[in-house]
Amino acid sequence: AQSVTQPDIHITVSEGASLELRCNYSYGATPYLFWYVQSPGQGLQLLLKYFSGDTLVQGIKGFEAEFKRSQSSFNLRKPSVHWSDAAEYFCAVGADGTGNQFYFGTGTSLTVIP
Amino acid sequence: DGGITQSPKYLFRKEGQNVTLSCEQNLNHDAMYWYRQDPGQGLRLIYYSQIVNDFQKGDIAEGYSVSREKKESFPLTVTSAQKNPTAFYLCASSTLPGRMNSPLHFGNGTRLTVT
Repeated sequence: AQSVTQPDIHITVSEGASLELRCNYSYGATPYLFWYVQSPGQGLQLLLKYFSGDTLVQGIKGFEAEFKRSQSSFNLRKPSVHWSDAAEYFCAVGADGTGNQFYFGTGTSLTVIP
Repeated sequence: DGGITQSPKYLFRKEGQNVTLSCEQNLNHDAMYWYRQDPGQGLRLIYYSQIVNDFQKGDIAEGYSVSREKKESFPLTVTSAQKNPTAFYLCASSTLPGRMNSPLHFGNGTRLTVT
């Protein structure tokens, strides 16, 4: 069965430090992978997506993610975190032919300290 | 600008009452979805619709009902049969139903509290 695991429930980083949020997926075929960000009390906003091709994808707000098939991972990175990046981050996988489902991880909450 | 509008933002109801959450989109998207979000559980799919007058149950459809009479609208009714209805509800849409390379666009959610 398809699944997404975000091992880190909560991460705290200092402003200006680098960030990496982990995501592992379980899916038989090549997955469609997404990262979303959610500010408190708001909906989710798409940061970036991977479908095929170059395994390093760039997104909005200076984020990037790397698809590693051998590790079944799609980790999100940012070289220098800003205070406004504090939010909840969700990794998701889209799976064709499974009832039109997207599978979401449980999220990683990011705190940025000055 | 196009987007998804969910209303109201906050909703309070007494136990035993049905309540309907509104979701309207002007993105001309064919597919629409309802998710429930609880702390520490990510998003769980309640219902989805790929075309007008058609919808399918998601993983946690019990106690919920939907309709899709118009392309733009996908209201969700939380019935009294839903055992634990207090949650944050998110509506989403996508351009290509059945194609998972079409990202979801989300509304800003409705927080339902039932006492």
